[in-house]
Amino acid sequence: EPEVTQTPSHQVTQMGQEVILRCVPISNHLYFYWYRQILGQKVEFLVSFYNNEISEKSEIFDDQFSVERPDGSNFTLKIRSTKLEDSAMYFCASSVRTGYSNQPQHFGDGTRLSIL
Amino acid sequence: QKEVEQNSGPLSVPEGAIASLNCTYSDRGSQSFFWYRQYSGKSPELIMFIYSNGDKEDGRFTAQLNKASQYVSLLIRDSQPSDSATYLCAVNYMEYGNKLVFGAGTILRVKS
Repeated sequence: EPEVTQTPSHQVTQMGQEVILRCVPISNHLYFYWYRQILGQKVEFLVSFYNNEISEKSEIFDDQFSVERPDGSNFTLKIRSTKLEDSAMYFCASSVRTGYSNQPQHFGDGTRLSIL
Repeated sequence: QKEVEQNSGPLSVPEGAIASLNCTYSDRGSQSFFWYRQYSGKSPELIMFIYSNGDKEDGRFTAQLNKASQYVSLLIRDSQPSDSATYLCAVNYMEYGNKLVFGAGTILRVKS
């Protein structure tokens, strides 16, 4: 069964450094998403992306964050200057959309980001 | 503020019993509802989705939706120890970039 793949599985970075998290969505999916989950807390929406532009972003997704689809398969999340509070699991997801009812979002295995 | 509420649990059921997990949501305009299972340290795994009022069954799982009461539930029949996990209720908002708003999850423990 097709799946969303994320790399790396674990990223350790010094505070203030830039980090890029990578995702390969399911090939026929059109919508792409990033979520994060701080340890012990809810899964939180960061951003959705469709047709090469951001559809929606949360208040968490400030100027330090950016997303890009550099080619036909990859979808990346960049954090420009990491903070300690950016430490979390980051999940990429993708979906198709048909009519008025959305098909489910399928999640990758996540990248654990640890900021030192 | 769009909220999704779940009882955090833990909900403990014996093996073979029916587990009932509940979720309420705040926005009457919500149209799509999803149940994900999350094992500790892992990603959310889709279990069920439901769009229309009533019941939807898939194997041992039944999702129930009542839009008038803004309530969605998940029943797990013949619960197995491998069902022990956190169950996340999520509501989709198409008008906000299809974002999912998640509840905090209910911890289910199935005792053998």
